[in-house]
Amino acid sequence: AQSVTQLGSHVSVSEGALVLLRCNYSSSVPPYLFWYVQYPNQGLQLLLKYTTGATLVKGINGFEAEFKKSETSFHLTKPSAHMSDAAEYFCAVILHGSGNTGKLIFGQGTTLQVKP
Amino acid sequence: ETGVTQSPTHLIKTRGQQVTLRCSSQSGHNTVSWYQQALGQGPQFIFQYYREEENGRGNFPPRFSGLQFPNYSSELNVNALELDDSALYLCASSLDPVRDEQYFGPGTRLTVT
Repeated sequence: AQSVTQLGSHVSVSEGALVLLRCNYSSSVPPYLFWYVQYPNQGLQLLLKYTTGATLVKGINGFEAEFKKSETSFHLTKPSAHMSDAAEYFCAVILHGSGNTGKLIFGQGTTLQVKP
Repeated sequence: ETGVTQSPTHLIKTRGQQVTLRCSSQSGHNTVSWYQQALGQGPQFIFQYYREEENGRGNFPPRFSGLQFPNYSSELNVNALELDDSALYLCASSLDPVRDEQYFGPGTRLTVT
C-alpha cells in the first residue's frame, strides 16, 4: 500500500535557524508530491508541489523541497525560520496514471515550533 | 475569485443522528474532494466528485455519502453518527481530479456526543 512517512512529529528550531522537515513516500511509481501548511483552526494551504521537471521546487514563504527519486524523499527546507512559520506541516502524494483519482494521501504531520 | 467556503463552522450532534455539511467550490472547479481529519492526524480521503459523479472513494462506510451540484456546491452526508466521527471535515476543489492543485476550505468541526 502506498504511504507517506513524516519523520518527527514535532520539530523545534530557533528563530533564524534552518528548518528541515522530512518526508518519505512508498510507491512503485513516483507520485506527485505536495507540502501543505495548516495553522490552528484553519484549512490547508499549499506550500509547494512537484509533478515533473526540475527536482528542486520553490514554494511560498521561502520554503523549498527537493524530490530525490533514489531516496523516495521530498524533504522541506527553509534557510531561516520565522516565528510565523510555527504551524502543522503535511506532506502528501497523489498517485497518477490510469485509474487513479486525485486522492491526496497525507502523512501524519509535523508540528513546527519556532523559539525566539 | 472567491475561495472555498464551508458551512457550518462548528457543529455538535448526538450519536445516531444524521448530519449534512456543505461546501462551495471555487468558481469553475468541477472537482471536489472531501477529507476527514481526526485530532492530531493527517486528513483522510473520504471521496471525490467530478462533474457530479463519484470519482473515487476512500475507506469509509456507505453511511458517508455525498452530492455535487452544477453550481459548484457540494454536500457530505453522514448517517448514524458515531463518536469516532468527531473530526474536522475538509473539502477541497480543483479543476482537474489529478493534475491540479486542490484548494482547501477552512473546514467544519463536527463533535459527536
